[in-house]
Amino acid sequence: GAVVSQHPSRVICKSGTSVKIECRSLDFQATTMFWYRQFPKQSLMLMATSNEGSKATYEQGVEKDKFLINHASLTLSTLTVTSAHPEDSSFYICSVHRGRDSPLHFGNGTRLTVT
Amino acid sequence: GDSVTQMEGPVTLSEEAFLTINCTYTATGYPSLFWYVQYPGEGLQLLLKATKADDKGSNKGFEATYRKETTSFHLEKGSVQVSDSAVYFCALNQAGTALIFGKGTTLSVSS
Repeated sequence: GAVVSQHPSRVICKSGTSVKIECRSLDFQATTMFWYRQFPKQSLMLMATSNEGSKATYEQGVEKDKFLINHASLTLSTLTVTSAHPEDSSFYICSVHRGRDSPLHFGNGTRLTVT
Repeated sequence: GDSVTQMEGPVTLSEEAFLTINCTYTATGYPSLFWYVQYPGEGLQLLLKATKADDKGSNKGFEATYRKETTSFHLEKGSVQVSDSAVYFCALNQAGTALIFGKGTTLSVSS
């Protein structure tokens, strides 16, 4: 069964509004979750590492004030795209790591369209 | 830093043809290697993995062998099906860190 649940799967919002995406680890506690972004026909780029109980670690070039990450519990991390613009339209995917030699488990992704 | 390079696509094959998608990596230490598949409109799914040199990962007829001497992890399948049409990503990670992905290779299989 699914290990990671990500919601919503699709969202359309107007420019200037904020959108929250949730990533839940369903059957284990995750101290670390990762957020990726995928542009059309391109690879996944790591945006940030979400650490439970502490501030997220952002990759170079990712605006932390625009992409707010909150990892409030061991099973939930949220990504909020603030003041969204059309260029933020993308596919956002979260993943959870279970252990050193275990693969990451991915959510099904969220297709964000900003009009 | 660590990186993954995979062959450019798209790869177009007829059903039952042999598939190879090349993947090479650059990394310090001993990373784990993965192939993920993304079907149209869906998220990523783990296809197979290998955690040490000479390991062979296999699943659904796909195979890949961790070759440290050539820093490669090429994906192969002896007979592809239309249902294998998807984007395939080679990836690596080190000791609990985030995955580093290749750019993806689109496979299109026709009947």
